[in-house]
Amino acid sequence: DTGVSQNPRHKITKRGQNVTFRCDPISEHNRLYWYRQTLGQGPEFLTYFQNEAQLEKSRLLSDRFSAERPKGSFSTLEIQRTEQGDSAMYLCAGTGGKTGHTEAFFGQGTRLTVV
Amino acid sequence: RKEVEQDPGPFNVPEGATVAFNCTYSNSASQSFFWYRQDCRKEPKLLMSVYSSGNEDGRFTAQLNRASQYISLLIRDSKLSDSATYLCVVNHNYGQNFVFGPGTRLSVLP
Repeated sequence: DTGVSQNPRHKITKRGQNVTFRCDPISEHNRLYWYRQTLGQGPEFLTYFQNEAQLEKSRLLSDRFSAERPKGSFSTLEIQRTEQGDSAMYLCAGTGGKTGHTEAFFGQGTRLTVV
Repeated sequence: RKEVEQDPGPFNVPEGATVAFNCTYSNSASQSFFWYRQDCRKEPKLLMSVYSSGNEDGRFTAQLNRASQYISLLIRDSKLSDSATYLCVVNHNYGQNFVFGPGTRLSVLP
């Protein structure tokens, strides 16, 4: 158990609906990442926070996607007007801060199915 | 061309075999390197960091060649429980984006 938790673990939604996922990293982790993974592929970077500041966003993060990390603690990833192509595992990872970690530690992911 | 490339796999090996995975990366500014393992429908878990001098952890040995931009992972005396996908990961600057390879799937057969 890495101490990074994600909710919900599974989400089934109808096309066009909005969904929001939550990630709670270890409190000491000042850096938080969101990744997306589809079957047979490695995780693809979406965005990254240092504390509450969103420092980098992938071009994969279309305008339907938004992420926040208020107060530099938990983070949310929202997808608006979901499409079937959004079906994937969404992974959150934390690192850095007082832990001194340079490696990324992942939560168990949220598996999204858009029907 | 992908920034991190790995052997396409899958690798099917008998128990007790030695298996080697290869990984190349294209960004010469990459500074830190890792191997993760991922079980089916689970999250990636850190297997080991890769240091310039090479490092070993039990049956696992990782090597880094910065000049060739090449990373390897060797698993000796493979166990059934080693069956998983192995992901090569590079980080350009400590704490910035971790870039994952596509992974190489390993099946260890009885």
